[in-house]
Amino acid sequence: AQSVTQLGSHVSVSEGALVLLRCNYSSSVPPYLFWYVQYPNQGLQLLLKYTSAATLVKGINGFEAEFKKSETSFHLTKPSAHMSDAAEYFCAVSDSGGYQKVTFGTGTKLQVIP
Amino acid sequence: GAVVSQHPSWVICKSGTSVKIECRSLDFQATTMFWYRQFPKQSLMLMATSNEGSKATYEQGVEKDKFLINHASLTLSTLTVTSAHPEDSSFYICSAHGREGNIQYFGAGTRLSVL
Repeated sequence: AQSVTQLGSHVSVSEGALVLLRCNYSSSVPPYLFWYVQYPNQGLQLLLKYTSAATLVKGINGFEAEFKKSETSFHLTKPSAHMSDAAEYFCAVSDSGGYQKVTFGTGTKLQVIP
Repeated sequence: GAVVSQHPSWVICKSGTSVKIECRSLDFQATTMFWYRQFPKQSLMLMATSNEGSKATYEQGVEKDKFLINHASLTLSTLTVTSAHPEDSSFYICSAHGREGNIQYFGAGTRLSVL
């Protein structure tokens, strides 16, 4: 069985400050890991993915995440928060290999304070 | 990237009626699509896996007769909520695997309100 745990359901940062959203995973096989962003009343948009290549993954909108096997973590970071980053962020895991179902974390709502 | 279209985006219906939600992959063929349900301020819960040309695979606790899934073509899957009740009110989201296989592309979601 696979699962992800997102620490902190709400995170608030000041505009221009570092964004750090935490995700720890559990998987019995090498995982594929994802971060998705969801804006109100919309579907999910893929920010970035880890699929066993480089451990530091760069995504869209200036986000990046680092896969740390020893810590079973895949935290999402952005050096400088922008007001438009305010949204809900979901970490997700699937078994390696294509066409596997994905398990989502409970989400972290990011608030950016002007 | 791949585009998944979901329709309608919002539907309001009376209790006891049935509602059909469509999920289309616009620029790729999707042999596998997924249907999720999302309650307010919660994560996505997988309801079922829709396979083209075969029966859907439902997650534990999801009523097959309540949530009918049809995946008749490589670009279209439908979810029909039969005899809808107020407790079925939720945000329903579909997704499809793109060509890469390990990435899911999501529709914009359908908000169902049952009166």
